[in-house]
Amino acid sequence: DQQVKQNSPSLSVQEGRISILNCDYTNSMFDYFLWYKKYPAEGPTFLISISSIKDKNEDGRFTVFLNKSAKHLSLHIVPSQPGDSAVYFCAASAKDSNYQLIWGAGTKLIIKP
Amino acid sequence: DAGVTQSPTHLIKTRGQHVTLRCSPISGHKSVSWYQQVLGQGPQFIFQYYEKEERGRGNFPDRFSARQFPNYSSELNVNALLLGDSALYLCASSLGGLSGNTIYFGEGSWLTVV
Repeated sequence: DQQVKQNSPSLSVQEGRISILNCDYTNSMFDYFLWYKKYPAEGPTFLISISSIKDKNEDGRFTVFLNKSAKHLSLHIVPSQPGDSAVYFCAASAKDSNYQLIWGAGTKLIIKP
Repeated sequence: DAGVTQSPTHLIKTRGQHVTLRCSPISGHKSVSWYQQVLGQGPQFIFQYYEKEERGRGNFPDRFSARQFPNYSSELNVNALLLGDSALYLCASSLGGLSGNTIYFGEGSWLTVV
């Protein structure tokens, strides 16, 4: 039972354009969401998070949008840069499970020059 | 400031052996979590410790155990290793407490079981 789903295993985007990574969840108790970026042979690196009391959080080139009614969140990267090529994971947590993170399977983002 | 540090970074074990993986959290962080990641999947939660108490346990067999020390560092132990235990083992730390916290990962320990 996958509570967090990233339905696109990979995404290819032209350098300078917008990258949009999507994530869907099923557990309505999730109240904190995070995006991580992972290069091969490294641990995941925290990018940006959002609490369920918000619908948008922005940090530089990264913006996360949360649509609670649709149980959907997305990460926008503008403009996309070659160094953004990595695997991106979304994760969700809930207070009633001690904020253990539940992870999606990841989306591999490839930025084309 | 040092981030989350893990040791060893790579190791090879034989089926049936035992392994201990170590983790030091970010200074000031009281919560440590362990995750297993295999290729093509997101990290799978194994354990969470906060203030030396187990706070959560994922769906892993009893061969997996962990503990947290007074200085908040942690060990993950796996007994009777199977080939399927080959994976990247990630340790993460956070402030802990009862609100959603961002967790920060170490570089991981690559375990190969042959």
